[in-house]
Amino acid sequence: GAGVSQSPSNKVTEKGKDVELRCDPISGHTALYWYRQSLGQGLEFLIYFQGNSAPDKSGLPSDRFSAERTGGSVSTLTIQRTQQEDSAVYLCASSLEWGGSQNIQYFGAGTRLSVL
Amino acid sequence: QKEVEQDPGPLSVPEGAIVSLNCTYSNSAFQYFMWYRQYSRKGPELLMYTYSSGNKEDGRFTAQVDKSSKYISLFIRDSQPSDSATYLCAMSASTGGFKTIFGAGTRLFVKA
Repeated sequence: GAGVSQSPSNKVTEKGKDVELRCDPISGHTALYWYRQSLGQGLEFLIYFQGNSAPDKSGLPSDRFSAERTGGSVSTLTIQRTQQEDSAVYLCASSLEWGGSQNIQYFGAGTRLSVL
Repeated sequence: QKEVEQDPGPLSVPEGAIVSLNCTYSNSAFQYFMWYRQYSRKGPELLMYTYSSGNKEDGRFTAQVDKSSKYISLFIRDSQPSDSATYLCAMSASTGGFKTIFGAGTRLFVKA
């Protein structure tokens, strides 16, 4: 596609429910990244994919968070048993490759998650 | 100490002013330096990308990297109200797996 697409744009859920956030990267981009941005804060790295593999999951806050990528394209971030502190904007980015000048990341508009 | 430090502002300037936004960093291995602009309720948008030291100009925007001081800057000339946004610096290195580290962002307001 022309840009990184994320859905839904907004998600309101109740504490304890599971949510799935979707990211469709730029066509041809092999690397995909998930970040979390809390109000007035910078970007918190969660996980990145090179192809379908996730070499670095170090940023996932807890085992309630998981992510997968299939077909080297679409990725899903799943949050189980959501908590109020999970409320944030979840941003997805993609880049041509992982490393060097190919590492320039292009972002989607984000999914705004509110846990009541 | 954070790897990347950026003053969150807010920074308020009159239209037409020259704006200077800055970041300092601690990891001397950083080689790739980026500036992103983020409007409210939008994702970050890449503005400038610089490799290693030096200056890069694109229209009203100039990015500077001083690796000896571990200091990067973004200058905006003839600032416009449409420049009002949050500006994030970002950087990465060939060591440490090329992970990109972002600053917290500086919120800029340009008053008409």
